[in-house]
Amino acid sequence: AQRVTQPEKLLSVFKGAPVELKCNYSYSGSPELFWYVQYSRQRLQLLLRHISRESIKGFTADLNKGETSFHLKKPFAQEEDSAMYYCALSGLYGQNFVFGPGTRLSVLP
Amino acid sequence: DAGVTQSPTHLIKTRGQHVTLRCSPISGHKSVSWYQQVLGQGPQFIFQYYEKEERGRGNFPDRFSARQFPNYSSELNVNALLLGDSALYLCASSLVPFNEKLFFGSGTQLSVL
Repeated sequence: AQRVTQPEKLLSVFKGAPVELKCNYSYSGSPELFWYVQYSRQRLQLLLRHISRESIKGFTADLNKGETSFHLKKPFAQEEDSAMYYCALSGLYGQNFVFGPGTRLSVLP
Repeated sequence: DAGVTQSPTHLIKTRGQHVTLRCSPISGHKSVSWYQQVLGQGPQFIFQYYEKEERGRGNFPDRFSARQFPNYSSELNVNALLLGDSALYLCASSLVPFNEKLFFGSGTQLSVL
């Protein structure tokens, strides 16, 4: 069965500290992996997707097929990074999107 | 350029009633998907439509149905409402259904009393 787990409900770090949001998945086949973010009073929006291999707002995520993980990382957290982060996967053709439960990141001054 | 619009924003119903939620995608987007988000959880996939055809269905009972119109807007219908259907219902649109960035609406908050 398709599943996305995010073990931390809440993660608090100080400004300037490194941050890593964990995501593990189970999927029979080759999924597409994404990170979505929801800032306070804003809509859910795409942060990055693994096929693009891009860095958005200083965030990167590496797909580790052996560990079935797609952790989100940023070397120096900023206060504006405080938000709800969701890891998600879909089938190769976009079917059956599955979201994780989310991790709330709080960056303290 | 208007984003994904959903109506209504809030809705209160009683058990056993039915509800219709509406979604207008971003202009040019042909794929629409629906999600249910219960407080404290991530969005859960309900349906995906592309070019007016159902492309995917999540693990929801047959009380949930949807359709997509020729102008690519979409409706989500829920019959025989249960208390557990209380949630935020999100609509998302994309150009095509695969490997694509989803653009989300603000959602419809449904309360079933």
